[in-house]
Amino acid sequence: AQSVSQHNHHVILSEAASLELGCNYSYGGTVNLFWYVQYPGQHLQLLLKYFSEDPLVKGIKGFEAEFIKSKFSFNLRKPSVQWSDTAEYFCAAKYIFGTGTRLKVLA
Amino acid sequence: GAGVSQSPSNKVTEKGKDVELRCDPISGHTALYWYRQSLGQGLEFLIYFQGNSAPDKSGLPSDRFSAERTGGSVSTLTIQRTQQEDSAVYLCASSLELSGDEQFFGPGTRLTVL
Repeated sequence: AQSVSQHNHHVILSEAASLELGCNYSYGGTVNLFWYVQYPGQHLQLLLKYFSEDPLVKGIKGFEAEFIKSKFSFNLRKPSVQWSDTAEYFCAAKYIFGTGTRLKVLA
Repeated sequence: GAGVSQSPSNKVTEKGKDVELRCDPISGHTALYWYRQSLGQGLEFLIYFQGNSAPDKSGLPSDRFSAERTGGSVSTLTIQRTQQEDSAVYLCASSLELSGDEQFFGPGTRLTVL
Protein backbone atom coordinates (compact mmCIF):
# COMPACT_ATOMS: atom_id res chain seq x y z
CA ALA A 1 0.00 0.00 0.00
CA GLN A 2 1.12 3.53 -0.66
CA SER A 3 2.19 5.41 2.43
CA VAL A 4 4.15 8.42 3.58
CA SER A 5 5.68 8.61 7.05
CA GLN A 6 6.74 11.69 8.92
CA HIS A 7 8.45 10.79 12.15
CA ASN A 8 8.64 14.22 13.77
CA HIS A 9 5.19 15.32 14.87
CA HIS A 10 6.18 18.40 16.84
CA VAL A 11 9.44 20.32 16.56
CA ILE A 12 10.41 23.39 18.55
CA LEU A 13 13.48 25.38 17.52
CA SER A 14 15.03 28.72 18.30
CA GLU A 15 15.59 31.21 15.51
CA ALA A 16 18.77 30.56 13.49
CA ALA A 17 18.75 26.86 14.36
CA SER A 18 19.01 24.34 11.55
CA LEU A 19 16.01 22.27 10.57
CA GLU A 20 15.63 18.77 9.18
CA LEU A 21 12.25 17.08 8.94
CA GLY A 22 12.14 13.43 8.04
CA CYS A 23 9.93 11.88 5.37
CA ASN A 24 9.89 8.29 4.16
CA TYR A 25 7.63 6.93 1.47
CA SER A 26 6.44 3.61 0.22
CA TYR A 27 5.20 4.02 -3.29
CA GLY A 28 5.43 1.92 -6.40
CA GLY A 29 6.19 3.29 -9.82
CA THR A 30 7.36 6.78 -10.71
CA VAL A 31 7.64 8.88 -7.64
CA ASN A 32 6.64 12.50 -7.52
CA LEU A 33 7.41 13.90 -4.09
CA PHE A 34 6.28 17.14 -2.52
CA TRP A 35 6.54 19.21 0.60
CA TYR A 36 3.60 21.44 1.39
CA VAL A 37 3.33 24.03 4.13
CA GLN A 38 0.34 25.40 5.99
CA TYR A 39 0.97 28.68 7.79
CA PRO A 40 -1.44 29.57 10.60
CA GLY A 41 -4.79 30.56 9.15
CA GLN A 42 -3.71 29.97 5.55
CA HIS A 43 -4.26 27.37 2.85
CA LEU A 44 -1.87 24.55 2.19
CA GLN A 45 0.69 25.63 -0.39
CA LEU A 46 3.57 24.05 -2.22
CA LEU A 47 7.03 24.43 -0.71
CA LEU A 48 8.97 22.32 -3.21
CA LYS A 49 8.67 19.26 -5.44
CA TYR A 50 10.82 16.47 -6.85
CA PHE A 51 10.15 15.26 -10.36
CA SER A 52 13.02 12.89 -11.25
CA GLU A 53 15.54 15.66 -11.76
CA ASP A 54 18.41 16.69 -9.53
CA PRO A 55 17.95 14.81 -6.22
CA LEU A 56 18.62 18.03 -4.33
CA VAL A 57 15.58 20.22 -4.76
CA LYS A 58 15.43 23.88 -3.79
CA GLY A 59 12.16 25.51 -2.87
CA ILE A 60 10.84 28.78 -1.61
CA LYS A 61 12.06 30.65 1.47
CA GLY A 62 15.43 28.88 1.61
CA PHE A 63 14.05 25.37 2.01
CA GLU A 64 15.57 22.39 0.25
CA ALA A 65 14.98 18.64 0.21
CA GLU A 66 17.10 15.69 -0.81
CA PHE A 67 15.69 12.63 -2.51
CA ILE A 68 17.59 9.49 -1.53
CA LYS A 69 16.14 6.59 -3.50
CA SER A 70 18.01 3.89 -1.58
CA LYS A 71 16.53 5.12 1.68
CA PHE A 72 13.07 5.97 0.30
CA SER A 73 13.52 9.34 1.92
CA PHE A 74 12.81 12.96 1.03
CA ASN A 75 13.90 14.99 4.04
CA LEU A 76 13.28 18.72 4.26
CA ARG A 77 16.05 21.04 5.41
CA LYS A 78 16.71 24.67 6.14
CA PRO A 79 20.06 25.92 7.44
CA SER A 80 18.65 28.73 9.59
CA VAL A 81 14.97 28.96 10.54
CA GLN A 82 13.05 32.15 11.19
CA TRP A 83 10.07 32.85 13.42
CA SER A 84 7.95 33.14 10.27
CA ASP A 85 8.66 29.48 9.46
CA THR A 86 6.27 28.48 12.24
CA ALA A 87 3.78 26.29 10.39
CA GLU A 88 2.72 22.72 9.71
CA TYR A 89 4.71 20.84 7.08
CA PHE A 90 3.40 17.93 5.05
CA CYS A 91 5.34 15.50 2.90
CA ALA A 92 3.43 13.89 0.03
CA ALA A 93 3.91 11.27 -2.66
CA LYS A 94 1.43 12.21 -5.39
CA TYR A 95 -1.83 12.46 -3.42
CA ILE A 96 -0.79 10.48 -0.35
CA PHE A 97 0.19 12.77 2.50
CA GLY A 98 2.05 12.21 5.73
CA THR A 99 0.55 13.15 9.08
CA GLY A 100 2.40 16.45 9.17
CA THR A 101 4.99 18.08 11.41
CA ARG A 102 4.13 21.11 13.49
CA LEU A 103 7.13 23.42 13.67
CA LYS A 104 7.31 26.19 16.21
CA VAL A 105 10.16 28.64 15.98
CA LEU A 106 10.86 30.68 19.09
CA ALA A 107 11.92 34.28 18.54
CA GLY B 1 -7.06 33.95 -11.65
CA ALA B 2 -9.42 32.55 -9.04
CA GLY B 3 -8.21 29.77 -6.80
CA VAL B 4 -10.04 26.71 -5.53
CA SER B 5 -13.18 27.64 -3.66
CA GLN B 6 -15.24 25.59 -1.26
CA SER B 7 -18.64 26.05 0.28
CA PRO B 8 -19.86 26.31 2.89
CA SER B 9 -16.86 27.44 4.92
CA ASN B 10 -18.48 26.13 8.09
CA LYS B 11 -21.23 23.59 8.55
CA VAL B 12 -22.81 22.53 11.82
CA THR B 13 -25.22 19.65 11.62
CA GLU B 14 -26.95 17.16 13.84
CA LYS B 15 -25.97 13.53 14.01
CA GLY B 16 -27.89 11.54 11.44
CA LYS B 17 -28.39 14.37 8.95
CA ASP B 18 -26.94 14.39 5.44
CA VAL B 19 -24.52 17.10 4.31
CA GLU B 20 -23.19 18.23 0.94
CA LEU B 21 -19.87 19.96 0.53
CA ARG B 22 -19.00 21.74 -2.68
CA CYS B 23 -15.72 22.37 -4.43
CA ASP B 24 -15.02 24.64 -7.41
CA PRO B 25 -11.59 23.84 -8.82
CA ILE B 26 -9.33 26.13 -10.79
CA SER B 27 -10.59 26.43 -14.34
CA GLY B 28 -8.84 24.00 -16.66
CA HIS B 29 -7.62 21.69 -13.93
CA THR B 30 -8.57 18.14 -14.84
CA ALA B 31 -7.71 16.49 -11.53
CA LEU B 32 -9.63 17.12 -8.32
CA TYR B 33 -8.96 15.68 -4.86
CA TRP B 34 -10.84 15.49 -1.58
CA TYR B 35 -9.08 15.17 1.77
CA ARG B 36 -10.10 15.15 5.39
CA GLN B 37 -7.95 16.96 7.94
CA SER B 38 -8.41 16.04 11.58
CA LEU B 39 -6.30 17.08 14.53
CA GLY B 40 -3.43 14.67 14.86
CA GLN B 41 -4.45 12.72 11.75
CA GLY B 42 -2.83 14.83 9.09
CA LEU B 43 -4.31 14.89 5.64
CA GLU B 44 -6.40 11.80 4.92
CA PHE B 45 -6.96 11.12 1.22
CA LEU B 46 -10.59 10.41 0.37
CA ILE B 47 -11.02 10.35 -3.40
CA TYR B 48 -9.71 11.88 -6.59
CA PHE B 49 -11.28 12.63 -9.95
CA GLN B 50 -9.67 12.67 -13.35
CA GLY B 51 -12.26 14.53 -15.38
CA ASN B 52 -15.59 13.15 -14.19
CA SER B 53 -14.21 9.71 -13.37
CA ALA B 54 -13.08 8.58 -9.93
CA PRO B 55 -10.38 5.93 -10.48
CA ASP B 56 -9.45 5.76 -6.81
CA LYS B 57 -12.15 5.80 -4.16
CA SER B 58 -10.10 3.78 -1.74
CA GLY B 59 -9.91 6.54 0.83
CA LEU B 60 -13.63 6.91 1.42
CA PRO B 61 -14.11 5.82 5.06
CA SER B 62 -17.49 4.15 4.62
CA ASP B 63 -20.40 3.79 2.24
CA ARG B 64 -21.94 6.88 3.87
CA PHE B 65 -19.43 8.93 1.89
CA SER B 66 -19.85 9.57 -1.82
CA ALA B 67 -18.64 12.15 -4.30
CA GLU B 68 -19.38 13.18 -7.82
CA ARG B 69 -18.02 15.59 -10.34
CA THR B 70 -19.95 16.99 -13.25
CA GLY B 71 -18.78 18.70 -16.41
CA GLY B 72 -15.19 18.16 -15.38
CA SER B 73 -15.57 21.03 -12.97
CA VAL B 74 -17.58 21.31 -9.75
CA SER B 75 -17.48 18.43 -7.30
CA THR B 76 -19.77 17.55 -4.41
CA LEU B 77 -18.84 15.39 -1.44
CA THR B 78 -21.89 13.95 0.30
CA ILE B 79 -21.92 12.45 3.75
CA GLN B 80 -25.08 10.60 4.67
CA ARG B 81 -26.28 9.96 8.21
CA THR B 82 -23.45 12.00 9.69
CA GLN B 83 -21.68 10.78 12.82
CA GLN B 84 -19.68 12.75 15.36
CA GLU B 85 -16.46 11.17 14.11
CA ASP B 86 -17.10 12.83 10.73
CA SER B 87 -16.28 16.20 12.31
CA ALA B 88 -13.19 17.54 10.56
CA VAL B 89 -12.03 20.02 7.96
CA TYR B 90 -12.72 18.76 4.45
CA LEU B 91 -10.21 20.04 1.92
CA CYS B 92 -10.47 20.09 -1.82
CA ALA B 93 -7.54 20.52 -4.20
CA SER B 94 -7.08 20.59 -7.94
CA SER B 95 -4.17 20.12 -10.27
CA LEU B 96 -3.59 20.57 -13.97
CA GLU B 97 -3.29 16.84 -14.53
CA LEU B 98 -3.14 13.84 -12.26
CA SER B 99 0.44 12.89 -13.03
CA GLY B 100 1.87 14.24 -9.83
CA ASP B 101 1.34 17.90 -10.56
CA GLU B 102 1.32 20.49 -7.82
CA GLN B 103 -2.03 20.64 -6.06
CA PHE B 104 -3.75 23.91 -5.28
CA PHE B 105 -5.84 23.76 -2.15
CA GLY B 106 -9.07 25.43 -1.19
CA PRO B 107 -9.78 26.94 2.23
CA GLY B 108 -11.71 23.90 3.39
CA THR B 109 -15.11 23.28 4.95
CA ARG B 110 -15.15 22.85 8.70
CA LEU B 111 -17.82 20.28 9.52
CA THR B 112 -19.09 19.90 13.06
CA VAL B 113 -21.50 17.10 13.85
CA LEU B 114 -23.32 17.57 17.13
